[in-house]
Amino acid sequence: QVQLQESAPGLVKPSETLSLTCAVSGGSIVTTAYHWGWIRQPPGKALEYIGSIYFNGRTYYNPSLKSRLTITIDTSKNQLSLNLSSVTAADTALYYCVRHFEFTSSSAWFDPWGQGTLITVSS
Amino acid sequence: SYELPQPPSVSVSPGQTASIKCSGDELKDKYVSWYQQKPGQSPVLVIFQNSQRPSGIPERFSGSNSGNTATLTISETQAVDEADYSCQVWDSGIAVFGGGTKLTVL
Repeated sequence: QVQLQESAPGLVKPSETLSLTCAVSGGSIVTTAYHWGWIRQPPGKALEYIGSIYFNGRTYYNPSLKSRLTITIDTSKNQLSLNLSSVTAADTALYYCVRHFEFTSSSAWFDPWGQGTLITVSS
Repeated sequence: SYELPQPPSVSVSPGQTASIKCSGDELKDKYVSWYQQKPGQSPVLVIFQNSQRPSGIPERFSGSNSGNTATLTISETQAVDEADYSCQVWDSGIAVFGGGTKLTVL
């Protein structure tokens, strides 16, 4: 059973870069069956898709974040990472790591989800 | 960008059927997933591809998608079903989520 564990919660200063990792256990990140991704949820607000990555490095990025976003995959460590640059208070959120099923170009869903890690952007 | 409006709240009595709706332009042409999120917990997938139920999800959860509206139906609703429910589609290479509906069982 796949489990996802995000790195520890933290405080990031405005204009700096937010960096997170997600350790995948119970299965290999090198698989043709899934992507791996990130979703965030600002306090009291809706879920927002950040992006996903395939084992070969192919990525999907939310256009609203694309200019600041980098998602990478480390197959040797069975983990994925997220870097979001030039953060502001609007980036304060719970960040979730997810397994991303893509059935067709018009069908995708996320299961399971990590426990989430709270990132606060504040000086 | 694509939007998925949801009603902010729905109430249901225990044992009754709850219907949570999600709207979108030509939604019938997309596949809808639904997630349950209880306070302080991570979202859990309860329906994918409009009406498919993951293993471990009770049969009382069902989904449909027609026209411009997708519906998550919970039959014989229990107190344990009280949670936020969000719909989601995959559109032009990104996931879009609805704003979420808080289901109250009272």
